[in-house]
Amino acid sequence: GAGVSQSPSNKVTEKGKDVELRCDPISGHTALYWYRQSLGQGLEFLIYFQGNSAPDKSGLPSDRFSAERTGGSVSTLTIQRTQQEDSAVYLCASSLASGAQETQYFGPGTRLLVL
Amino acid sequence: AQTVTQSQPEMSVQEAETVTLSCTYDTSESDYYLFWYKQPPSRQMILVIRQEAYKQQNATENRFSVNFQKAAKSFSLKISDSQLGDAAMYFCAYKGFGNEKLTFGTGTRLTIIP
Repeated sequence: GAGVSQSPSNKVTEKGKDVELRCDPISGHTALYWYRQSLGQGLEFLIYFQGNSAPDKSGLPSDRFSAERTGGSVSTLTIQRTQQEDSAVYLCASSLASGAQETQYFGPGTRLLVL
Repeated sequence: AQTVTQSQPEMSVQEAETVTLSCTYDTSESDYYLFWYKQPPSRQMILVIRQEAYKQQNATENRFSVNFQKAAKSFSLKISDSQLGDAAMYFCAYKGFGNEKLTFGTGTRLTIIP
């Protein structure tokens, strides 16, 4: 079946503009995660959605970052008033359910460049 | 908080040889999961192998195996008969119970020499 998809693949924006990044999880997966991968760094957790529960936003770096998940499927990560330090690859992952034993499957990411 | 350390930023190996990538972690939990992910230039993270901490037997997936030393908090990945397609960034990751996020190391870039 289809894997996790993300769009756009690449995004170049000017400092101060808002951007929206989209994630389509694997069909039937109830859990969805966003991570950020800065140059030369490992992945940094941003936010987690599970079903209709309130999301875990503990990893969001500032109030310029927000995310929503509509209908328990597609998710959008929004960055307002982008800064150059927001430049990174943003990766989305989904898993069948929540729980430590569940494997997370990743999408190809969106590379964001803020000029 | 849990931390994951990969002390080898880069490694190289001759094609068909064996290479071991190191990973150590710090946690106060007794039950958790450990993962190795591969990230080729396409950027997509691909699960290579996973290990449940409560299992003493080391996980194996074809040419990939781990050496899990729970007391030492060490989780190394061994790649046997290295192939050109193994060239990628390899990330070690930790996931504890009651915490949905993966905690990643900074990665090891593996180069395969033909």
